[in-house]
Amino acid sequence: QKEVEQNSGPLSVPEGAIASLNCTYSDRGSQSFFWYRQYSGKSPELIMFIYSNGDKEDGRFTAQLNKASQYVSLLIRDSQPSDSATYLCAVNANNDMRFGAGTRLTVKP
Amino acid sequence: EAGVAQSPRYKIIEKRQSVAFWCNPISGHATLYWYQQILGQGPKLLIQFQNNGVVDDSQLPKDRFSAERLKGVDSTLKIQPAKLEDSAVYLCASSWKTGSSGNTIYFGEGSWLTVV
Repeated sequence: QKEVEQNSGPLSVPEGAIASLNCTYSDRGSQSFFWYRQYSGKSPELIMFIYSNGDKEDGRFTAQLNKASQYVSLLIRDSQPSDSATYLCAVNANNDMRFGAGTRLTVKP
Repeated sequence: EAGVAQSPRYKIIEKRQSVAFWCNPISGHATLYWYQQILGQGPKLLIQFQNNGVVDDSQLPKDRFSAERLKGVDSTLKIQPAKLEDSAVYLCASSWKTGSSGNTIYFGEGSWLTVV
């Protein structure tokens, strides 16, 4: 069974703080990793993806991947109230994309 | 570039009735996915097409769900007969890379189904 696990939250951070979202996966053959943001009542939208171990930065977002630990995370710097949403981790192995249940983030003004 | 189109956006039906959802992927995308997302859960893959062939339908409840992509472009997902637990958002998605770990999946707005 290929599993993608996320802490469901809710995770609450004050405006301007760093939000840290975590995801673990069970399939060691996983090759690519994605973070999607989903606002309430909307469909998921891609934030960023990462393939290689280490960090990948895109604006206020940083994805971190550690394949040995089967762990991927998303850091959001200078969190804004508009970042309040559910963040979905997705893991792709051989064209099989699996999603976690998502972490609900609330950024308080 | 137009995104993934889905219709209808909202549907309310009684249990044991049937419903059909339509999806038109992003132009040029060979891979099309149907996901089911129940409130509070992540999307669950129902079926994946590559062009007009089925790649994975292992989680599709085949006794009541069916899907087709006859010409390798748009797709229809049908539920017959519907059960209360089918109440969910049905998300269609597409990607252009096939057989590659570099797939980026783009979602449509979803079709919201309520079974009463």
